[in-house]
Amino acid sequence: GQNIDQPTEMTATEGAIVQINCTYQTSGFNGLFWYQQHAGEAPTFLSYNVLDGLEEKGRFSSFLSRSKGYSYLLLKELQMKDSASYLCAVPVVTTSGTYKYIFGTGTRLKVLA
Amino acid sequence: KAGVTQTPRYLIKTRGQQVTLSCSPISGHRSVSWYQQTPGQGLQFLFEYFSETQRNKGNFPGRFSGRQFSNSRSEMNVSTLELGDSALYLCASSSGTSTNEKLFFGSGTQLSVL
Repeated sequence: GQNIDQPTEMTATEGAIVQINCTYQTSGFNGLFWYQQHAGEAPTFLSYNVLDGLEEKGRFSSFLSRSKGYSYLLLKELQMKDSASYLCAVPVVTTSGTYKYIFGTGTRLKVLA
Repeated sequence: KAGVTQTPRYLIKTRGQQVTLSCSPISGHRSVSWYQQTPGQGLQFLFEYFSETQRNKGNFPGRFSGRQFSNSRSEMNVSTLELGDSALYLCASSSGTSTNEKLFFGSGTQLSVL
C-alpha cells in the first residue's frame, strides 16, 4: 500500500536548526512535496523534490533519497513564525491513470524563545 | 490573482443533518480536490474533480459526495452527519495536468457535528 510517516511533534529553540523527516512507501515515484500549515490556516507550498539531493531555498532546504524512500526538511535560523505543521505529500498514480496526493499526518513544530 | 475560496468558514450541525460546502478554485484551474483533516489522521483524500468529472475517489462512505460546475467551482455534500465527521474540510486547486505541480489550498471549512 501507500504510506507516509512523519514524527508527530518536534520542539526547537529560536535561532537553532531543525530537521523534519519523512519516509514514504509508494508504488512508483513522481516527486515529493513539503507544505507548511499555520494553525487555522491553509497549507502553503514550500518545496518539491524529484531528483536525489538537496534543494536550498533561503532558510529552508529539502533533501530527497529515492533509494531510501526518505526526505527531510531542514529549517535554519529558526524564528517564532516557523511554529506550524509541516506536511509531506507524494503524488501517486491511480488505477484510472491519473494521480492523487497522499499526505503524511504532519509534524507540528514548536519554536521556543 | 484571487486565491482558493471556501465557504462557509465555520459550520455547526447536528447528527443526521446534511451539509454542503463550496470551493471556488483559482481562475484557470480545472482540478479541485477535497480533503478531510483531523488531528490524528492528517489530510485524508476525499475525491478530485477535473472538468466536471470525478477523476479520483478516496476511501470514504457514500455519504460523502461532490460535484463540479462548468466554471470549475465545486461543492461537497455530506448526508446523515455523524459525530466523527467533525473536521476541517480543505479544498485544493491546480491545473490537474502534471504530478509536479503544487496544490493551492483554501482556508477550509471547520465543521462541528453535535
